[in-house]
Amino acid sequence: DAGITQSPRHKVTETGTPVTLRCHQTENHRYMYWYRQDPGHGLRLIHYSYGVKDTDKGEVSDGYSVSRSKTEDFLLTLESATSSQTSVYFCAIGGRTGDSNQPQHFGDGTRLSIL
Amino acid sequence: AQSVTQPDIHITVSEGASLELRCNYSYGATPYLFWYVQSPGQGLQLLLKYFSGDTLVQGIKGFEAEFKRSQSSFNLRKPSVHWSDAAEYFCAVGALGRDDKIIFGKGTRLHILP
Repeated sequence: DAGITQSPRHKVTETGTPVTLRCHQTENHRYMYWYRQDPGHGLRLIHYSYGVKDTDKGEVSDGYSVSRSKTEDFLLTLESATSSQTSVYFCAIGGRTGDSNQPQHFGDGTRLSIL
Repeated sequence: AQSVTQPDIHITVSEGASLELRCNYSYGATPYLFWYVQSPGQGLQLLLKYFSGDTLVQGIKGFEAEFKRSQSSFNLRKPSVHWSDAAEYFCAVGALGRDDKIIFGKGTRLHILP
């Protein structure tokens, strides 16, 4: 299995609080992604990174920010959490070959509940 | 922009029966196509991918998929399912290149009858 660790695995917090989710990889891979998964919507890309300090928005980036200060860590921050951000969040990294910028290995997810 | 449709939200098959999960895509250029599987409480695992070449692609766990350009389809098949195949399956379409990102279908949940 690809070395991807998400933390925390579960979190319950209140509306208006800041939340940071961490994705840590041991594969030294350039591309990293954050997705959210909701019933009826499948997976939707929030943000992705193509290198240290290089990030870009996905299709549902509003209310989220990311940072990547080193190759192995990709942080997702909800500056002021809202109930609509209750979801399961997945981190992914790219593959190992020429198709390496596509998300091919996923973490086990973080279940976030915002009350 | 690309899109992908999985017409079946749920599919139920008997153990040992054959399986076909449908996926249709829309993309203006040559697509790169993927199938992922997700077991409950787990992340997604890549089953197989198509980038070019042979349109019949073999994947892990005995799955295969066939790219049919004329039908804009990339259906997933398995000749004989096992109870452990019960999971949710996602088709995705994308392209190489920094600005092209994978788009996932909404998934098909596979149920296996004993």
